[in-house]
Parts: sequence; C-alpha cells; structure tokens
Amino acid sequence: GQQVMQIPQYQHVQEGEDFTTYCNSSTTLSNIQWYKQRPGGHPVFLIQLVKSGEVKKQKRLTFQFGEAKKNSSLHITATQTTDVGTYFCAGPHGSNRLAFGKGNQVVVIP
Amino acid sequence: KAGVTQTPRYLIKTRGQQVTLSCSPISGHRSVSWYQQTPGQGLQFLFEYFSETQRNKGNFPGRFSGRQFSNSRSEMNVSTLELGDSALYLCASSLGGNNQPQHFGDGTRLSIL
Repeated sequence: GQQVMQIPQYQHVQEGEDFTTYCNSSTTLSNIQWYKQRPGGHPVFLIQLVKSGEVKKQKRLTFQFGEAKKNSSLHITATQTTDVGTYFCAGPHGSNRLAFGKGNQVVVIP
Repeated sequence: KAGVTQTPRYLIKTRGQQVTLSCSPISGHRSVSWYQQTPGQGLQFLFEYFSETQRNKGNFPGRFSGRQFSNSRSEMNVSTLELGDSALYLCASSLGGNNQPQHFGDGTRLSIL
C-alpha cells in the first residue's frame, strides 16, 4: 500500500541551529499534513499543504510541498528546546484514511 | 470546544484478558480513527468509523475490533491480549475524509504483563 517515508528517523540538533526533516512518497499525494508529538504527549496537527510547490511558514517553521507532490519538507530555524519532539508527516491512503510516516524524533542539545 | 477524550488513560492487563477502550470525539466530528503507537513504529492504523460504519481497517488481527455509537463515541476492543499488544492507543477525530486534520486524544497506555 501507499506509504510515506521520513528521513532521518532521529536527529540531535544544537540549540540555535537549523534543521530539516523530509517526507517522501512513491506516489503523488493530493495533500500532506504535518504533526508534532511532544514527549509524553499526543500528535498535534501543524499544517496541511495542498498545492504543488506550496510553501507555508509558521514563525520559525517552513513547510514545503514538492513540485511533483511526492515529497515534503519541514525546516526549523534557530532551534529552541521547545522544538523537541517527534515530527510526523501523513498522506492520504485511500479516500478516508491517512498514512503516517514513522516520524523524525528530534532531540535538542542545550 | 472540548477536545478528544480517551478513557482510561492507563491500563494494566495480563495475557489472555480482554480490554475495551473508549473515545469521545470533538463535537460535530463524525469520523473516529484508532491508531497503535509503539516505539520506532510510528502510528499504525487500526480502523476508522464514520456514522457508525467501519470504512477502513488496517492490518491487525481479528482480536482488534471496534464500534461507533450514534453520538459518534467509539470503543475499541482487544481480546485475548498478548504481550505485543502493549502500546499507546490513540484515537483521533475529524470531519471525515483524507484531507481533514486529525485531532488526537491523549491516548490510553496499555501494558500487558
């Protein structure tokens, strides 16, 4: 079945530095969603991208949807300790279901 | 607006027992999805209900079942529990469709001894 793959699976990031996490699909996606799960918490919806080449920003977070709508990225600048957590992307799997990637666990080093 | 509520938050069971987990969605949301989360495996889809009908099912054995009531509340049941069923079980509600954001509850942490 259709899957979304996330790389890397783990990242250690120095506080103040930038990092990027990637999401790839073998098929074209109608949309892609990003979620963040803090340690001990539940996934929280961050954003949805729909258009080819779309770029959306949320403060220090920049989300991008690829031109072919098969990949997406999340770039975080000036990492803060509050950015710690696991970032998931999710794409449609059939008409009524989302398929989540395995996540990118981010550890921030003070 | 109240969020998604899952009960109980924690459960400890032994092998062979059965368990029922409950999920109350956000008011107005008719779609409820269930996921199993274990370390390193991400969110594994169990099933999705909409208006009391199961529309999607993941690759889990028949020991995992669910239902949805007319008020959109949903329950998930696992019978003949195995050690490998230890996980965080998350419920998410949405308006329905694969282009709608999922709103997750805090989950039920199930431990099998």
